Amino acid sequence: EVQLMESGGGLVQPGRSLRISCGASGFNFDDYAMHWVRQPPGKGLEWVSGINWNSGDIGYADSVKGRFTISRDTAKNFLYLQINSLRTEDTALYYCAKDLYPELRKRDNVFDLWGQGTMVTVSS
Amino acid sequence: DIQMTQSPSSVSASVGDRVTITCRTSQGIGFYLAWYQQKPGKAPKLLIHSASRLQSGVPSRFSGSGSETDFTLTISSLQPEDVATYYCQQAIDFPYTFGQGTKLEIK
Repeated sequence: EVQLMESGGGLVQPGRSLRISCGASGFNFDDYAMHWVRQPPGKGLEWVSGINWNSGDIGYADSVKGRFTISRDTAKNFLYLQINSLRTEDTALYYCAKDLYPELRKRDNVFDLWGQGTMVTVSS
Repeated sequence: DIQMTQSPSSVSASVGDRVTITCRTSQGIGFYLAWYQQKPGKAPKLLIHSASRLQSGVPSRFSGSGSETDFTLTISSLQPEDVATYYCQQAIDFPYTFGQGTKLEIK
């Protein structure tokens, strides 16, 4: 079955760090770019970060640049997001999403497969 | 960053009605716009990309049109299962931005 499954979310204090993961199955993981998209409770979608098929091109939203690091392990079929210096405004459901294409900046980078999300709550 | 503005923010329509949602971008993006459907408690689902290309498995009552700064998602005959929030997304450049969403309800 083609699917993405996120894990690693939880309740974290402001200023601390967390790494969330996304396992991919049912498709050739190294043929596609991957992304993280987040959704605060009751609010809309925000693209957080994307990585191309071979980790050679990476992008971040301005709101997370310098604090978040995206990476992928093609041997394990996993996508990761290292989140440092957590803020209360980072509280959200974090989705892992597959791109249509292997490269970023392709001019049609859309998300055709989504996981169910992992919830990150930042609170003291 | 490219700003996305959807309208209306919410809409209520009857089963069988034609429903139209619009998305306006702050700068021209050619045809590089996608539409997603998010049902309550579920992950978003890709409906349309490249402004008008229907994703595999999506019912033909959904259609998209537009270019540059003005885009439209149309549901030709509203069904009960279409109750959801709909988002547009520009797919041309970092950061990939979404509209604020349009909540669709049945009258």
